[in-house]
Amino acid sequence: SAVISQKPSRDICQRGTSLTIQCQVDSQVTMMFWYRQQPGQSLTLIATANQGSEATYESGFVIDKFPISRPNLTFSTLTVSNMSPEDSSIYLCSVGDRATGELFFGEGSRLTVL
Amino acid sequence: GQQVMQIPQYQHVQEGEDFTTYCNSSTTLSNIQWYKQRPGGHPVFLIQLVKSGEVKKQKRLTFQFGEAKKNSSLHITATQTTDVGTYFCAVNSGYSTLTFGKGTMLLVSP
Repeated sequence: SAVISQKPSRDICQRGTSLTIQCQVDSQVTMMFWYRQQPGQSLTLIATANQGSEATYESGFVIDKFPISRPNLTFSTLTVSNMSPEDSSIYLCSVGDRATGELFFGEGSRLTVL
Repeated sequence: GQQVMQIPQYQHVQEGEDFTTYCNSSTTLSNIQWYKQRPGGHPVFLIQLVKSGEVKKQKRLTFQFGEAKKNSSLHITATQTTDVGTYFCAVNSGYSTLTFGKGTMLLVSP
């Protein structure tokens, strides 16, 4: 299993500002995943963060809007840039178990953009 | 990538009633996973099904994978208030990435 710490757990932000979410894992992992969960909706994969290379973004998500850093095998950040109310969501960091394929999730960062 | 349809979107039952949620794909799946998300919580892995026709049980929960590996179901027998939450199926959509169904929200009244 993996223990994942995310911060902030929640924040209220002003339109046009940017916020960086941090994700710390208690073990070294090759890939870390960032998901978005809009209110009452399912989880949508934003990008896969690989250590030592550029993140891989899913369709509909771009690096300028969601820059990701992955400085080492236990840490990643996701920035939500130039926020608008439509960015109000829960952002979840996750890692996978290579043996089982199971995903472990952080507690999530609940962003409200006014 | 892989797409999966999940129904129903929402179900409200009385405690003690059974509950079932279904996931369907138009293509053959390599495997399917199920997650539970309690209100205000994060998704938690329940199980992975890999084999055609596979049936797995966890106490009151029964998971099935269809013979054609295109559908799956999660059945809860005699629901309890602790079963409240949203149940998601998830399928592989690329190298080590998962695509989640829209989820079924379960409400259980005492």
